Amino acid sequence: DSGVTQTPKHLITATGQRVTLRCSPRSGDLSVYWYQQSLDQGLQFLIQYYNGEERAKGNILERFSAQQFPDLHSELNLSSLELGDSALYFCASSVELRGQYGYTFGSGTRLTVV
Amino acid sequence: AQKVTQAQTEISVVEKEDVTLDCVYETRDTTYYLFWYKQPPSGELVFLIRRNSFDEQNEISGRYSWNFQKSTSSFNFTITASQVVDSAVYFCALSEAGASGSARQLTFGSGTQLTVLP
Repeated sequence: DSGVTQTPKHLITATGQRVTLRCSPRSGDLSVYWYQQSLDQGLQFLIQYYNGEERAKGNILERFSAQQFPDLHSELNLSSLELGDSALYFCASSVELRGQYGYTFGSGTRLTVV
Repeated sequence: AQKVTQAQTEISVVEKEDVTLDCVYETRDTTYYLFWYKQPPSGELVFLIRRNSFDEQNEISGRYSWNFQKSTSSFNFTITASQVVDSAVYFCALSEAGASGSARQLTFGSGTQLTVLP
């Protein structure tokens, strides 16, 4: 167990639907990152939150949104789903320790859009 | 903008052979961090190593070793005496130092699929 919890592990849904992926960071980590891993795009950074605020944005579609709550857990919302959104979605959290950065990944949510 | 290139898409070796996975990176920052992750067939990302840009000392951990060369912007990974359990996708990644307390995101290479045959 890495300490980063992602739920659900698997999700199958139809095109046009909306889903929410959840991530609980490792205790004490303030930053949460979302990544998408698809066959054709590899591991792509979507968005980062730090202590409740959006810190950086990557290749995130307008149909996707995220937020980080006061208890530091984060949710990634995917709407108007398309077949191409099928992917493995990872959440990671990070901590800075004496200038060193460590990233811990969750086990991922596998989303299948049919 | 930062970029990580793993030119080897797939590598296949026979058990007990040594294998080196290449990683070349681009960044404009003087302070950055390099990582290697392993992704076995089960899908999770397993952290292997982190190297700071100001520490060019090579590292060895058991059968794994890493060669960091700033002059060529490379951070190569060698597995000695490979085993079937080493079969996985290996990712090299880079992050640039952010403001204190908030690490920047990781930029990943496209990964190298390593297959170790018995």
